Amino acid sequence: DADVTQTPRNRITKTGKRIMLECSQTKGHDRMYWYRQDPGLGLRLIYYSFDVKDINKGEISDGYSVSRQAQAKFSLSLESAIPNQTALYFCATSESWGPGYFGPGTRLTVL
Amino acid sequence: QQQVKQSPQSLIVQKGGISIINCAYENTAFDYFPWYQQFPGKGPALLIAIRPDVSEKKEGRFTISFNKSAKQFSLHIMDSQPGDSATYFCAASRTDKLIFGTGTRLQVFP
Repeated sequence: DADVTQTPRNRITKTGKRIMLECSQTKGHDRMYWYRQDPGLGLRLIYYSFDVKDINKGEISDGYSVSRQAQAKFSLSLESAIPNQTALYFCATSESWGPGYFGPGTRLTVL
Repeated sequence: QQQVKQSPQSLIVQKGGISIINCAYENTAFDYFPWYQQFPGKGPALLIAIRPDVSEKKEGRFTISFNKSAKQFSLHIMDSQPGDSATYFCAASRTDKLIFGTGTRLQVFP
């Protein structure tokens, strides 16, 4: 089984809809991250969490929110999706410095 | 604001050759420099990382060279193989807020 799983893997939604992307990990790591990948822009950090009670904004947190339901679960929400949030989203975990293990990604399309 | 500049954007290397990808950073406070490898349809995977107290780190065929005064670091892939064909990202940080380069697509031909 994969160490970091993301659901859904693909999602098409409409502008204005609320959407949640979920991430689960079996690594036992405290640190979890949400990244967004756009062609030609690399990966950009949306939010990160060091433990269940610790949530931190990344460089592009506007329009996103997160919830750390348990050590193993970290979900990303788009409260009102807009087309420029169309991207590939990755969840990642780490036991120390920076993301070490990435999930397979969620391809999100906002029409 | 691009704080980590990566080049080239794409690279074609023959099997057995050396692949070299370069990155330059601006923030002198950065103290952690990892490289990630990403295959199509997969998430990135941490490949190798270095801290600025050493000038070189080698793991198998992969080597990071670090030049603190020039604020540059590079990834060398020795004896490149077709299985190395992937996109490579450099990154830099002082905390957990990694700043990624824009990626280099490497293609290794037999």
